[in-house]
Amino acid sequence: GDSVTQMEGPVTLSEEAFLTINCTYTATGYPSLFWYVQYPGEGLQLLLKATKADDKGSNKGFEATYRKETTSFHLEKGSVQVSDSAVYFCALKGTSGSRLTFGEGTQLTVNP
Amino acid sequence: DTGVSQDPRHKITKRGQNVTFRCDPISEHNRLYWYRQTLGQGPEFLTYFQNEAQLEKSRLLSDRFSAERPKGSFSTLEIQRTEQGDSAMYLCASSYLAGPNFHEQYFGPGTRLTVT
Repeated sequence: GDSVTQMEGPVTLSEEAFLTINCTYTATGYPSLFWYVQYPGEGLQLLLKATKADDKGSNKGFEATYRKETTSFHLEKGSVQVSDSAVYFCALKGTSGSRLTFGEGTQLTVNP
Repeated sequence: DTGVSQDPRHKITKRGQNVTFRCDPISEHNRLYWYRQTLGQGPEFLTYFQNEAQLEKSRLLSDRFSAERPKGSFSTLEIQRTEQGDSAMYLCASSYLAGPNFHEQYFGPGTRLTVT
């Protein structure tokens, strides 16, 4: 079945550092890929998405590129801020059905 | 429209009791989903509806769990004879069936269940 693997956390960075959170997936065909973010005390928010190979999703300075050849969708940001501290979840929607399959999440803490 | 809402936000119950949660989706969304999230894990799919029809159920949804969406609007998730292992955050999400954003699911704030 479908699965998502995220890099283990937690991740701690200083403000203005470069961020990469790795995400790889297992699925048949061409799933849609997502990054969700969960800020402390809040619900899941959709951060960005890509629905076909080589698409780049971007939002709020975050980017991720759908790489079919490496089955990856790594999240990057060039300069993180303290306000980016949150838990980040990679997810996929398979080609059959509508369920989302999530990774375990990566806790990011950004220190001033 | 202010998004997906869930009620209650927190529920504490004793083992063996029944509980019911409610989800109100974004008004024009015709798909509604339930997920469960335990501490330190990503959400796990439970079930989803298209309008009032329940189209898919996860193996996680034991016979103690039942979900309904009687008029294709709000949904309820009932857990009978709760067990301590049912303690989790129960998340509801909704999406639109068509259009450029039909892949996108929007989540509510969740109902945190604690079974003592």
